[in-house]
Amino acid sequence: AQRVTQPEKLLSVFKGAPVELKCNYSYSGSPELFWYVQYSRQRLQLLLRHISRESIKGFTADLNKGETSFHLKKPFAQEEDSAMYYCALSIQGAQKLVFGQGTRLTINP
Amino acid sequence: DAGITQSPRHKVTETGTPVTLRCHQTENHRYMYWYRQDPGHGLRLIHYSYGVKDTDKGEVSDGYSVSRSKTEDFLLTLESATSSQTSVYFCAISGTGDPYEQYFGPGTRLTVT
Repeated sequence: AQRVTQPEKLLSVFKGAPVELKCNYSYSGSPELFWYVQYSRQRLQLLLRHISRESIKGFTADLNKGETSFHLKKPFAQEEDSAMYYCALSIQGAQKLVFGQGTRLTINP
Repeated sequence: DAGITQSPRHKVTETGTPVTLRCHQTENHRYMYWYRQDPGHGLRLIHYSYGVKDTDKGEVSDGYSVSRSKTEDFLLTLESATSSQTSVYFCAISGTGDPYEQYFGPGTRLTVT
């Protein structure tokens, strides 16, 4: 069965420090993975997807099929990065996503 | 924000009463979804729709039903609300061109007392 695991419910780092939010998945098909973000008082929105291989707001994420991981990284955290982050896996042919449990990131000044 | 609205935005109801939440979109997107968001569980899919009158169950569908009689509206009904259904409910939509990028509504906070 398909599953997404985010092992950290809470993550707190200082401004300027590197940040890594972990995501592991379990899926027998060809995975397509996403990171969604929910800032305070805003809607949940797409941050990035692995297939685009782009950097958004300084964040990157690389799909590692060997380790079945899609960790989100940023070298220098900013206070505005404080938010709830969800990793999500697409289910081929079903047009739906499976979300992880979420990680609340807090950037301390 | 994509044209997605949810109503009501907040609701308090008593155990055993029926409750209907509405999701309305102005994007003419084919796919619509209902999720619930709970601490420690993240977002879990309740039901989704892939067209008018075409719906399917998600991972936590027990106690919920849905209907979609028009492209723009997707209704979620709790036939007899229970305290375990206290949650924040999100509607999302996605289009045929990119079914995997979902656009979310503002959420409905439901409290069952």
